[in-house]
Amino acid sequence: AAGVIQSPRHLIKEKRETATLKCYPIPRHDTVYWYQQGPGQDPQFLISFYEKMQSDKGSIPDRFSAQQFSDYHSELNMSSLELGDSALYFCASSLGLETRGYTFGSGTRLTVV
Amino acid sequence: AQTVTQSQPEMSVQEAETVTLSCTYDTSESNYYLFWYKQPPSRQMILVIRQEAYKQQNATENRFSVNFQKAAKSFSLKISDSQLGDTAMYFCAFMKPSVRDDKIIFGKGTRLHILP
Repeated sequence: AAGVIQSPRHLIKEKRETATLKCYPIPRHDTVYWYQQGPGQDPQFLISFYEKMQSDKGSIPDRFSAQQFSDYHSELNMSSLELGDSALYFCASSLGLETRGYTFGSGTRLTVV
Repeated sequence: AQTVTQSQPEMSVQEAETVTLSCTYDTSESNYYLFWYKQPPSRQMILVIRQEAYKQQNATENRFSVNFQKAAKSFSLKISDSQLGDTAMYFCAFMKPSVRDDKIIFGKGTRLHILP
């Protein structure tokens, strides 16, 4: 079965650089969620999109922005990177009010040096 | 606001034993969903089991079962006949079914070690 695809799997950036993370949801899924998981931490909700519109927003820094495109894939753009942005970034997708617990991608590990 | 609390940061059990991971939550909602996610060393987030709040029957998935006590807002996970592959971080999680507010809220996690 198709899963949530995230790219890249690993990314190393320097401070003050910009990074773009991509997420390709399961086919027909219309909702995408982004989570940030710092070392030894639980995942923290950043932002979500439903039918290409932002549906909910969590603790996402102003330096970050995201969008969902017409093909439902989503991109998380991170600017002026800081050392504290080093984390595992998960994308998840669901279909509408899917209550089975949405499916997570394998994550992108971002390291800021 | 909803909160999820896991009081056991770390646990170790011998292979083949039964282990129970605790979770409590706080919400004013009457309709919600609870989950246990497993995160092995690979860091993949894997859904283990889910429970609908309106269902009194406890969910079961093979060796995994839950004890859902709605009044007490408790949702524990029991792993029977534990296996080495069960070694992972386990997150208890809450979700309110809503088109614009259906984010999953995670607890801090319990790191489970299965010893040979």
